[in-house]
Amino acid sequence: DAGITQSPRHKVTETGTPVTLRCHQTENHRYMYWYRQDPGHGLRLIHYSYGVKDTDKGEVSDGYSVSRSKTEDFLLTLESATSSQTSVYFCAISELPVGNTEAFFGQGTRLTVV
Amino acid sequence: GENVEQHPSTLSVQEGDSAVIKCTYSDSASNYFPWYKQELGKRPQLIIDIRSNVGEKKDQRIAVTLNKTAKHFSLHITETQPEDSAVYFCAASKAGANNLFFGTGTRLTVIP
Repeated sequence: DAGITQSPRHKVTETGTPVTLRCHQTENHRYMYWYRQDPGHGLRLIHYSYGVKDTDKGEVSDGYSVSRSKTEDFLLTLESATSSQTSVYFCAISELPVGNTEAFFGQGTRLTVV
Repeated sequence: GENVEQHPSTLSVQEGDSAVIKCTYSDSASNYFPWYKQELGKRPQLIIDIRSNVGEKKDQRIAVTLNKTAKHFSLHITETQPEDSAVYFCAASKAGANNLFFGTGTRLTVIP
């Protein structure tokens, strides 16, 4: 398995609180992604990074921000969590853009907003 | 943007039978079509992919076919085994793109 670690693995938080999820990789891959997985929707891209300090929005970016201060870490922040952000969040990494090569996924973080 | 539809949402087969999952896509510029398998509580993992310059690709019991004209692609699993039970996702993208557009998934159950 590719060296990808997500933390925490599970989190319950209250509506309106900030939450940060971490993705850490040991593969030195340039590209990193945050997806959310919801029943009936498959996986949808939230944000991605194509290098240190280089990020861009995905399909469902509203309410989320990201940061990448070093190659190995990609942080996803929910500034003020809402119940609609209850989901399973997956980080993914790839050597090239995912339209060119395999994406490797982390184990996922189950987030519940109450 | 791209829209990927996947059918069926659930599929049950007897062990040893074949399973077929179908996907359609909307963007004719898409040219990369991976399939991911996700076991219960686990991460999605790539099992096979195909690019638009080929019509079929096989890897042991798994094959994927692509019809560019009709904009659909399918996953074929032969001689199914209980360990094939999982959720399968198709996806579509294009060379150089930073997004995979996923279908909604098919839960495959192989009955021993």
